[in-house]
Amino acid sequence: AQKITQTQPGMFVQEKEAVTLDCTYDTSDPSYGLFWYKQPSSGEMIFLIYQGSYDQQNATEGRYSLNFQKARKSANLVISASQLGDSAMYFCAMREGWGNQGGKLIFGQGTELSVKP
Amino acid sequence: NAGVTQTPKFRVLKTGQSMTLLCAQDMNHEYMYWYRQDPGMGLRLIHYSVGEGTTAKGEVPDGYNVSRLKKQNFLLGLESAAPSQTSVYFCASSYSPSRPYGYTFGSGTRLTVV
Repeated sequence: AQKITQTQPGMFVQEKEAVTLDCTYDTSDPSYGLFWYKQPSSGEMIFLIYQGSYDQQNATEGRYSLNFQKARKSANLVISASQLGDSAMYFCAMREGWGNQGGKLIFGQGTELSVKP
Repeated sequence: NAGVTQTPKFRVLKTGQSMTLLCAQDMNHEYMYWYRQDPGMGLRLIHYSVGEGTTAKGEVPDGYNVSRLKKQNFLLGLESAAPSQTSVYFCASSYSPSRPYGYTFGSGTRLTVV
């Protein structure tokens, strides 16, 4: 069965510094997708970044980058120049299955990031 | 605004009562999902649907039933609510799960069972 693991329940970072949130995954499917979502205290799920298993380059979206190490099965999120508004829960997720199999997202436990001024 | 709408946003139930959570999307998405979120456990899939008239079990289906009679609606039912079903419920939909921006989430329903 596919699995996503986030080993950091909570993290602190100083404003303007970079921070890495860890995510490891386990799958036997050669084709998969990895997602990161942000959930602020208001509760909505905000898509941040995506990495496909066949993508040659690490994904980047503004201050977010995904450090994809396929052999190690890790997909860490790097946030550069942290801002106070980055304080939130962050979830790593992996797409499981295609077509009639549902394309289900499997989520990790989450990491709560707190940015200190 | 186009998107996923969940009704209601908050609800308190007594043990043994029943209720239905409604998820509606206006994006013509084929795939729809129901998740529950509990502290320290992330989001866990309850049931999902790959199209109108289809449903399938996810990771934690016990105590829940679903229906997808219309493409735009995905209903989650609790027949006899239990305190263990106290959670935040999220609905999501997808046009193409293979796309990076492929999933749209609702704003959640906070359910308390007393």
